[in-house]
Amino acid sequence: QQQVKQSPQSLIVQKGGISIINCAYENTAFDYFPWYQQFPGKGPALLIAIRPDVSEKKEGRFTISFNKSAKQFSLHIMDSQPGDSATYFCAASTGSGATNKLIFGTGTLLAVQP
Amino acid sequence: ETGVTQTPRHLVMGMTNKKSLKCEQHLGHNAMYWYKQSAKKPLELMFVYNFKEQTENNSVPSRFSPECPNSSHLFLHLHTLQPEDSALYLCASSQDSGRNEQFFGPGTRLTVL
Repeated sequence: QQQVKQSPQSLIVQKGGISIINCAYENTAFDYFPWYQQFPGKGPALLIAIRPDVSEKKEGRFTISFNKSAKQFSLHIMDSQPGDSATYFCAASTGSGATNKLIFGTGTLLAVQP
Repeated sequence: ETGVTQTPRHLVMGMTNKKSLKCEQHLGHNAMYWYKQSAKKPLELMFVYNFKEQTENNSVPSRFSPECPNSSHLFLHLHTLQPEDSALYLCASSQDSGRNEQFFGPGTRLTVL
């Protein structure tokens, strides 16, 4: 119940296309859903995050869509660029307790071809 | 230095060696974390420190020993490791352990021979 399932494992998109990465969870207590971006040789960096009181959040070319009833959320990268090529991780956590543990998905390796 | 720094960036050690990983955060945060990142697996939380006190040990083997002398520094002492411990070890920090946003360092790539 603590898992976050992420798909696809890898994704190839043409420059200018839309990249879509999906995640699903079981624990209905999760109330914070971030996406992290990781370039080779770097640690993960927070890209965008959403809380379940909204169904969509957009920041520039990056959009999170959230479906509370289906317990799913996804990352959409519009007008994908070669510089977006990285590994993307979804995560989830709860707001209760002294320690908020982030539960991560397994990651999606995105390659944007020029 | 800004953000979260980790040293060394790469480490190769034998199974009988003792080594330490160091993490330093320059963000004024009070919580620090150790994660293990292995290929095709989710990031695994190992330890959490909040205001220098350990608040989480995620069933980590005793051959990994954390130390947090102050809110800015975190160490991971390694001894008698196994080859399956080879991984990228990431340090992160947050304002406190109750805040969700965590900032990660670049990691230490550990290889155990």
